[in-house]
Amino acid sequence: NAGVTQTPKFQVLKTGQSMTLQCAQDMNHEYMSWYRQDPGMGLRLIHYSVGAGITDQGEVPNGYNVSRSTTEDFPLRLLSAAPSQTSVYFCASRLSSGGWENIQYFGAGTRLSVL
Amino acid sequence: AQSVTQPDIHITVSEGASLELRCNYSYGATPYLFWYVQSPGQGLQLLLKYFSGDTLVQGIKGFEAEFKRSQSSFNLRKPSVHWSDAAEYFCAVGPKLAAGNKLTFGGGTRVLVKP
Repeated sequence: NAGVTQTPKFQVLKTGQSMTLQCAQDMNHEYMSWYRQDPGMGLRLIHYSVGAGITDQGEVPNGYNVSRSTTEDFPLRLLSAAPSQTSVYFCASRLSSGGWENIQYFGAGTRLSVL
Repeated sequence: AQSVTQPDIHITVSEGASLELRCNYSYGATPYLFWYVQSPGQGLQLLLKYFSGDTLVQGIKGFEAEFKRSQSSFNLRKPSVHWSDAAEYFCAVGPKLAAGNKLTFGGGTRVLVKP
């Protein structure tokens, strides 16, 4: 049981490049989310999904796209990277039923630098 | 809109001493409150959570937190700190309707433990 797996762990991009951050979970969780973590700002929600085929915007969605074609995978796409997107990105997942009684699991993070 | 404030960015404590981390929240109703810990290079791990009932909540690793409605606070405590407690700690609030993973996080408190 791997939990929430994020790849890559580290990435350096040039301004304007595109890339996809991968997130996969093997716990059959319906809910998945992407957060970015910046110093002094905690984690901010980028996008989230309540199930396959359903996504919605979080607090800071601009510059990011997501899709959820399967329950297991929730990739985050940067279409044209900007230095302001330099951050650490975390994927998280949780069972939908039972509300917050179910623990939210986090991946180990992807550290992204945009030059 | 909900918000979470962690007034202390850094705290340094001696090993064996007690630790208290402050968290204040702003929310229209009784929120669901969480404390997470992030060890260096790792994802977030849930320490404890509060939904209702007893306002003193016990968590893992010897941590506890007390919910004080009148002060809109949810402070985290540990009676005797171990060197392995050096990490960053995040307070978070979630809406009662737990759709998605829409947690709002504080900016975090980094704890340094002196030998």
